[in-house]
Amino acid sequence: EAQVTQNPRYLITVTGKKLTVTCSQNMNHEYMSWYRQDPGLGLRQIYYSMNVEVTDKGDVPEGYKVSRKEKRNFPLILESPSPNQTSLYFCASTNRVGGLYNEQFFGPGTRLTVL
Amino acid sequence: AQTVTQSQPEMSVQEAETVTLSCTYDTSESDYYLFWYKQPPSRQMILVIRQEAYKQQNATENRFSVNFQKAAKSFSLKISDSQLGDAAMYFCAYTEGAQKLVFGQGTRLTINP
Repeated sequence: EAQVTQNPRYLITVTGKKLTVTCSQNMNHEYMSWYRQDPGLGLRQIYYSMNVEVTDKGDVPEGYKVSRKEKRNFPLILESPSPNQTSLYFCASTNRVGGLYNEQFFGPGTRLTVL
Repeated sequence: AQTVTQSQPEMSVQEAETVTLSCTYDTSESDYYLFWYKQPPSRQMILVIRQEAYKQQNATENRFSVNFQKAAKSFSLKISDSQLGDAAMYFCAYTEGAQKLVFGQGTRLTINP
């Protein structure tokens, strides 16, 4: 089954304790992204990657890091989480075929609470 | 920068009736894609319908249809014969390619039985 998986689904942590949210896709997609969802703001892009070892900032990258060492994986790293990073996080992946855009496939979301 | 605006934070409709959710966007590009996503309480993001800007014909998916007005930069979603399972948060989104989706603020839709 084609899917994007994220782990963990729920996480409660404390300020300053480094954490990683994993994201993996099994569709051989080139493009992967991280979004955060906050009430009244919709989803906003944090980082994206166009291929292995190619990453770039989205609209809200402060306080986050990413890496893309393998095509299928795109972890999100919070090296020193703060309460303003409490949010719902989504990983997404997609491809372009023949110049046409394909839909984004979203993971199930990770609810993060930073105390 | 591209922006997407959903001016209705909440909407409600009686079961079996029709409801329209509004979305406007701002872009200087001529080639792009627009989407409506549904997010039920499970939080999963589900693609409802998509529209390519170069297509003049409005997209339709069963009970869901859009009114795409390119000159006005408007992209509304019409849900016909509303069902209880349609209750969710709905997001309008814009993209020029695979790198990024720009989302609106969302509209929470309630279906009254």
